[in-house]
Amino acid sequence: EVELVESGGGLVQVGGSLGLACVGSGFTFSNSWMSWVRQAPGKGLEWVGRIKSKTSGGTTDYPAPVKGRFTISRDDSKNTVYLHMNSLKNEDTAIYYCTTHHDPWEVNYWGQGTLVTVSS
Amino acid sequence: QSALTQPPSASGSPGQSVTISCTGTSNDVGGYNYVSWYQHHPGKAPKLMIYEVSKRPSGFPDRFSGSKSGNTASLTVSDLRAEDEADYYCSSYGGSNNLLFGGGTRLTVL
Repeated sequence: EVELVESGGGLVQVGGSLGLACVGSGFTFSNSWMSWVRQAPGKGLEWVGRIKSKTSGGTTDYPAPVKGRFTISRDDSKNTVYLHMNSLKNEDTAIYYCTTHHDPWEVNYWGQGTLVTVSS
Repeated sequence: QSALTQPPSASGSPGQSVTISCTGTSNDVGGYNYVSWYQHHPGKAPKLMIYEVSKRPSGFPDRFSGSKSGNTASLTVSDLRAEDEADYYCSSYGGSNNLLFGGGTRLTVL
C-alpha cells in the first residue's frame, strides 16, 4: 500500500524559511515523479512544484507564485522528497501535501498533509 | 481565485446522480487530456477518482465517471451514497510546465 508521510510543518515568521519532508513507502520511490500541492485556509488546491525521477533527469518545475523561493529536492536512498521554502509570505499559509505522479501532469497518491502557518 | 472554475457546492439525494463541472480555457482543460478528479474527505488524504478525463483507477467504482466538452470537464457521480459526501477537485495541465487545480466543490448527500 502506498503511503506518504509529510513532516516539518509549523509556525514561521514572514520572511523566514522552513523545510518540509515527505517519506514514501509501498512503491518504487526512485522511479517516481513527486509534487507538492498546498491548500490555503478556505481555498482550493494549488500546485507548488514537481521533481522528476533521476532517470528522467531529476529536474524541477515551479509555478510563478513560488518560483525562486521554493526548492524541491529528493534523496532516493531515504525515499524522501523535500520542499524548502524561503522568503515566506502570509499567503504561503496552507496545508502542504506530498503527492506521487501517475503521469507527467497528473498526481495520484497523496499524503495527509502538514500545516504551515506564516505569521507576522 | 483558482485557475479552474468549479461550482462551490452540489447536492443530490441517495440514489440520484449529480454532475460537477470544471471550466478552464483552451490553454488548459480544452487543450489537453490531462484532466483529473480528486475526492477529499477533510482531514484525510485526497484520492484520485478519474484521470486522463475519463479513466478510473483500478478498483474504483464505476459510479464515478468523467467527460469533457470543449473547455469544460465534468465529473458525474451516479447512485449517490452517503459516503460520497466530500469535496471534489479537478486538475488540468495548464501548459508551460504548469499544473492547475479547481477551487473545489462540496458535494452534499441530502
